[in-house]
Amino acid sequence: ELKVEQNPLFLSMQEGKNYTIYCNYSTTSDRLYWYRQDPGKSLESLFVLLSNGAVKQEGRLMASLDTKARLSTLHITAAVHDLSATYFCAAPISSGSARQLTFGSGTQLTVLP
Amino acid sequence: EPEVTQTPSHQVTQMGQEVILRCVPISNHLYFYWYRQILGQKVEFLVSFYNNEISEKSEIFDDQFSVERPDGSNFTLKIRSTKLEDSAMYFCASRLREKSEKLFFGSGTQLSVL
Repeated sequence: ELKVEQNPLFLSMQEGKNYTIYCNYSTTSDRLYWYRQDPGKSLESLFVLLSNGAVKQEGRLMASLDTKARLSTLHITAAVHDLSATYFCAAPISSGSARQLTFGSGTQLTVLP
Repeated sequence: EPEVTQTPSHQVTQMGQEVILRCVPISNHLYFYWYRQILGQKVEFLVSFYNNEISEKSEIFDDQFSVERPDGSNFTLKIRSTKLEDSAMYFCASRLREKSEKLFFGSGTQLSVL
């Protein structure tokens, strides 16, 4: 059974600081997804990482994937208040086309002024 | 930008009642999904649907659940006899084609079973 573990689960950080969220998964997967969720809202796709060594950046967020270590990271650079949200990583349960995703528990990020 | 729309945004029902949650996926998308999120917990896969049939379903998706695409635009999730533990936010999602990696999620229906 695929397990996806994120840490930390809660993160408070000061504006302007850097931090990394970690996502470990238990079985082989060649792809990994990151989503953002604002309170009471839907899941917004942030990054789709499709291969070992993939790195993607959007603004102050950068995501990477190491399939050998079964690890993905989401790095936050010079945080701003607007980044406050819950961030989920997710991995597909199989490489089939149905895209059944298993989600991590989420990291609730609060950026303090 | 095209989006997945879900109605209603909130649904309150009595235990044992049937509910139908409605979704309009993005118009040219071919793959459809239901996920749910119990308050404070992980997002969980329920079912995937392609070419008018279920592709995969999780253990949660038992005989009380069914999905349907009754016409060219709607995608529905029916719970025949709701239980208290069905209370959750239900998200519909769609994907363009087989090789598309991005899932587009709707804004969700908050189901409360009393």
